[in-house]
Amino acid sequence: EADIYQTPRYLVIGTGKKITLECSQTMGHDKMYWYQQDPGMELHLIHYSYGVNSTEKGDLSSESTVSRIRTEHFPLTLESARPSHTSQYLCASSLPGGYGYTFGSGTRLTVV
Amino acid sequence: AQSVTQLDSQVPVFEEAPVELRCNYSSSVSVYLFWYVQYPNQGLQLLLKYLSGSTLVKGINGFEAEFNKSQTSFHLRKPSVHISDTAEYFCAVSEYGGSQGNLIFGKGTKLSVKP
Repeated sequence: EADIYQTPRYLVIGTGKKITLECSQTMGHDKMYWYQQDPGMELHLIHYSYGVNSTEKGDLSSESTVSRIRTEHFPLTLESARPSHTSQYLCASSLPGGYGYTFGSGTRLTVV
Repeated sequence: AQSVTQLDSQVPVFEEAPVELRCNYSSSVSVYLFWYVQYPNQGLQLLLKYLSGSTLVKGINGFEAEFNKSQTSFHLRKPSVHISDTAEYFCAVSEYGGSQGNLIFGKGTKLSVKP
């Protein structure tokens, strides 16, 4: 079944650790996105990609980085986690043309 | 530039009452319009979308929305809500045929359905 997967769903980690949030989709979508969302709050676009080897920063400045080596895979990395990074991270993908996104279930990150 | 305004940040209603969640947008070009729902600790799920054709769009879970071009609105309605409809709802817009096709999201409306 075509879908978009995020792992882990929940992560509690200590300050200073390096973490990678995984996002994979099986729909063959070229476009992929990362959003940051504090509980009950609005979505903030932090990274997006229009295809392999394409990455762009979003509207909200983030200390995270992303890579797009394969169409289906768009991981997000924090080199040194801090409590201010505590949030929910949502991955999405889409076809070109503005027809809407498919979202993953999200990763809730807590940095202690 | 496109923008989306969700006029109510919170909407409390009683079970079985009707509800309307309001969304206005601004754009200098034709748009596609979307409503997404987010349940606690979940990602966003597409409720319905307007791409073209009939301005009344029916979605999942008994929701519908009406595209009003003159008022630049896309309000979401349900005639009778259930407790399980308690969630956050996001309105979004994208540019018709735009090469980028990025969605612009509103800030969300929290729907609380009380027994």
